[in-house]
Amino acid sequence: SQTIHQWPATLVQPVGSPLSLECTVEGTSNPNLYWYRQAAGRGLQLLFYSVGIGQISSEVPQNLSASRPQDRQFILSSKKLLLSDSGFYLCAWRAGDFNFSPLHFGNGTRLTVT
Amino acid sequence: GENVEQHPSTLSVQEGDSAVIKCTYSDSASNYFPWYKQELGKRPQLIIDIRSNVGEKKDQRIAVTLNKTAKHFSLHITETQPEDSAVYFCAARTVPNNNDMRFGAGTRLTVKP
Repeated sequence: SQTIHQWPATLVQPVGSPLSLECTVEGTSNPNLYWYRQAAGRGLQLLFYSVGIGQISSEVPQNLSASRPQDRQFILSSKKLLLSDSGFYLCAWRAGDFNFSPLHFGNGTRLTVT
Repeated sequence: GENVEQHPSTLSVQEGDSAVIKCTYSDSASNYFPWYKQELGKRPQLIIDIRSNVGEKKDQRIAVTLNKTAKHFSLHITETQPEDSAVYFCAARTVPNNNDMRFGAGTRLTVKP
């Protein structure tokens, strides 16, 4: 069966520090991968998605970036965090070869920028 | 791009009553509509989904209806229980043209025992 791992679970970082969140998927090949952000009590904002290695589509221009160095690895990064980057970050995957496949979310990373 | 609106933002019902959450979408080409349940501090989890070639789908106490003409779809929960309390999100996607999933803002459902 497929599983998705996301870490760390919680993170407290000072303003201006870098960020690296990692997500890996097991049990499937060539998944579509996604990063969402959820502000406290709010909905799910799509940040990035990827349909293959090295292919990144960005939904928000901000100070965040994403990379997909391997088929089942997705990384969210920032060079300098802002206070507004605080939130609950969710990685998700879906089967790329089945068009009506649902999203499956990781357990999330709760980021607090101080 | 697709825009999904969800109502109400909060919903409180008595245990045993029914709950209905409604969503509208803007892209008439959208053809896949999942619903997710998110308990406090946890990840969203798929509870039911429907494709545009189907008007209604049921799974025990949960059902989803779709009106393509009006571009809206609804989640129906019958015989609600306290464990149904959570935030529910609707979503829409255009298959196979788009690889993203657009979510509604969420509905916080509280079931009072």
